[in-house]
Amino acid sequence: QVQLVESGGGLVKPGGSLRLSCAASGFTFSDYYMSWVRQAPGKGLEWLSYISYSGDTIYYADSVEGRFTISRDNAKNSVHLQMNSLRAEDTALYYCAKYSSGWDLDHWGQGTLVTVSP
Amino acid sequence: QSALTQPASVSGSPGQSITISCTGTSRDVGGYKFVSWYQQHPGKAPKLMIYDVNNRPSGVSNRFSGSKSGNTASLTISGLQAEDEADYYCSSYTSSSILLFGGGTQLTVL
Repeated sequence: QVQLVESGGGLVKPGGSLRLSCAASGFTFSDYYMSWVRQAPGKGLEWLSYISYSGDTIYYADSVEGRFTISRDNAKNSVHLQMNSLRAEDTALYYCAKYSSGWDLDHWGQGTLVTVSP
Repeated sequence: QSALTQPASVSGSPGQSITISCTGTSRDVGGYKFVSWYQQHPGKAPKLMIYDVNNRPSGVSNRFSGSKSGNTASLTISGLQAEDEADYYCSSYTSSSILLFGGGTQLTVL
């Protein structure tokens, strides 16, 4: 079955960097777009970014454009989110999610927590 | 990139039906058939319940249904059960090629 396992979260100071990873299994990874979504404590879902099959098409939410970079390694069935210039408002649970063949997210990981605090 | 508009909360008694609305614009909900709904129980990851406005993934109860009229999409849950108590989020593909979520609706089963 499809499994998405995020890692790399933790405590970081404002202005710092963090790299999140998502290990995928149970499906042909290179056949699907992948995405990152976050959820601040007690708040709703916020879509952050998606990356196409080969990585040649990438989009970001305005809130992270220029600070976050999504990438994927189809040989290792993994997707990553490089987060730079982190701010307190980036504190959230970060989910890795798989697109179906359309524009919906049919499988989600359990999330990795990022806390930005002095 | 403003979030889609959902009511903060809805409630219903077991066996009743409830509807959650999701209002956007012609650049998102109104312009595409790519509206989805997600269920999230406390401490859990979101789960896809409806995709492409009115389609259910395999395994999702037929008590869940979706529709759309103009710039507003709706999720209807019939025959409410205690296990339906959760947060629900809509999402839509947009003209900017990004995904937009609604602010979420807390469903309480009385």
